[in-house]
Amino acid sequence: DQQVKQNSPSLSVQEGRISILNCDYTNSMFDYFLWYKKYPAEGPTFLISISSIKDKNEDGRFTVFLNKSAKHLSLHIVPSQPGDSAVYFCAASAKETSGSRLTFGEGTQLTVNP
Amino acid sequence: DTGVSQDPRHKITKRGQNVTFRCDPISEHNRLYWYRQTLGQGPEFLTYFQNEAQLEKSRLLSDRFSAERPKGSFSTLEIQRTEQGDSAMYLCASSLAGIGGYTFGSGTRLTVV
Repeated sequence: DQQVKQNSPSLSVQEGRISILNCDYTNSMFDYFLWYKKYPAEGPTFLISISSIKDKNEDGRFTVFLNKSAKHLSLHIVPSQPGDSAVYFCAASAKETSGSRLTFGEGTQLTVNP
Repeated sequence: DTGVSQDPRHKITKRGQNVTFRCDPISEHNRLYWYRQTLGQGPEFLTYFQNEAQLEKSRLLSDRFSAERPKGSFSTLEIQRTEQGDSAMYLCASSLAGIGGYTFGSGTRLTVV
């Protein structure tokens, strides 16, 4: 049972344009959501998070949007840069029931073309 | 602070052998996590410790797997009688108690031949 799904295995955008990565979840107990970025041969790096009490969180070029009714979140990167090329993972936690265990999606490979 | 360190980076072993991996977390972090990642998938939770106490284990952690964190600092993950299906990247992460985004290590890539 895949509780967190990233339906797009890959995304290609031009430098300077917006990148939008999407994530859907099924577990209504999830109340905290995170995005991680992963380069080859490195561990995932935390990017940005959002609590279920919010619908938007912004950090520089990165913005995460949460639509609780649709059980959907998205990560917007604007403007996209070639250095943003990496695999992006969406993750979720049901803080009350499982401590800080994270459930990850399958990842989306973002390629930003110069 | 040098981040989360994992050793070794790569391990090739024959089926049936035992392997042990080590993780050194960020020194002030009291929580330590083990995840496993296979090709094309996101990391999957295995277990986590708060200080030296193992607080949660996934069903993925069969009885061939054991993790310890004896003094609440470094941790080891041992896999006994390895199988080809154990081939994966084993990731360690640490954090202060509660959510806030873990810091992951670079992982140990295990190949069972």
